Amino acid sequence: AQSVTQLDSQVPVFEEAPVELRCNYSSSVSVYLFWYVQYPNQGLQLLLKYLSGSTLVKGINGFEAEFNKSQTSFHLRKPSVHISDTAEYFCAVSDPEGYQKVTFGTGTKLQVIP
Amino acid sequence: EADIYQTPRYLVIGTGKKITLECSQTMGHDKMYWYQQDPGMELHLIHYSYGVNSTEKGDLSSESTVSRIRTEHFPLTLESARPSHTSQYLCASSEYGNGYTFGSGTRLTVV
Repeated sequence: AQSVTQLDSQVPVFEEAPVELRCNYSSSVSVYLFWYVQYPNQGLQLLLKYLSGSTLVKGINGFEAEFNKSQTSFHLRKPSVHISDTAEYFCAVSDPEGYQKVTFGTGTKLQVIP
Repeated sequence: EADIYQTPRYLVIGTGKKITLECSQTMGHDKMYWYQQDPGMELHLIHYSYGVNSTEKGDLSSESTVSRIRTEHFPLTLESARPSHTSQYLCASSEYGNGYTFGSGTRLTVV
């Protein structure tokens, strides 16, 4: 079985400051990892994904994440946030085999303060 | 443009009514999913399908049912709506390794 832990339920940060949203996973097999963003009253949008290869993954809107196998982490970072980044962010994991069902974390609300 | 569509976006309905939430995708994905999301809560998988005539129940017990008669269409039905069904319902589809594409969701309120 696989699981995802997002350590912070809310992260307030000032505009133009850097941010890191933390995600740890557990799985007995190799994994695919994802970050999604959800704006109010919307569905989820894929920000970035790690399938294999380089452990530093760049996504849309200036976000990036680093896969750390030894620490079983996949933290999301942005060097300078904007008001428009205010949203909820979900980390997710799936296994590469079988039917690739995705398990989501509980989400982190990023609030960018002007 | 390839996408995934959910209708209606918002629905307020009385207790005991039968409702169907529509989900259609134009990407030809075999895999489709329904998630339930309560405010401030995680997403819970309630149904999934790996292709036509294939449907499975997810991790969260749900009184809803689904069908998959065509690849592009994956409707969810509640035979008798109750206030406990009030939630947001998200439909998604995927192909191997590419993550999910989500619809905009249906926010259901049962009064």
